[in-house]
Amino acid sequence: EAQVTQNPRYLITVTGKKLTVTCSQNMNHEYMSWYRQDPGLGLRQIYYSMNVEVTDKGDVPEGYKVSRKEKRNFPLILESPSPNQTSLYFCASSLVASFQDTQYFGPGTRLTVL
Amino acid sequence: AQKVTQAQTEISVVEKEDVTLDCVYETRDTTYYLFWYKQPPSGELVFLIRRNSFDEQNEISGRYSWNFQKSTSSFNFTITASQVVDSAVYFCALSEEGGGADGLTFGKGTHLIIQP
Repeated sequence: EAQVTQNPRYLITVTGKKLTVTCSQNMNHEYMSWYRQDPGLGLRQIYYSMNVEVTDKGDVPEGYKVSRKEKRNFPLILESPSPNQTSLYFCASSLVASFQDTQYFGPGTRLTVL
Repeated sequence: AQKVTQAQTEISVVEKEDVTLDCVYETRDTTYYLFWYKQPPSGELVFLIRRNSFDEQNEISGRYSWNFQKSTSSFNFTITASQVVDSAVYFCALSEEGGGADGLTFGKGTHLIIQP
């Protein structure tokens, strides 16, 4: 089944404890991105990747890192999480890195930082 | 400036009623795409439709229909004969040619509640 997977789905952590949220797609998509969803703010893009080893900042990149060493994986790294990073995170991918293409989303990761 | 506006924060209707979700967008590009996504209570984001700026034909898919009007910069979504399973948050989103690979700009969503 073609899909975007994220792990973990739920995570509660404490301030300053490094964490990684994994994202993987099995559709051979070039483009991958991360969004966060907050009440009243909709979804905002954190980082995106147009292909392997090519990443760039989205609208809200502060406090996050990403890497794209393989085409299928695009992990989101929080080196020192803070409570304001408590949010619902979505990974998405599209076949090509083009504004014309449809992004398909993973199931989401609900992160709570205490 | 907000590029995608979904003015209806929450809508509540009784099952079988028709309901329209509004989406107004702003862009300077002549080439752009509009999308609708559904987020049911389980939390995932489900793609519903993509429409490019050169295609103003209305689209119908079962009980769902979309009305794209460039003159008013709107891309409204209508559910006919609503059902409880339609209860969800619905997001309208925009991608612009000038935006490159910057991704989607989402509206803040409309929470649709269908009461039995």
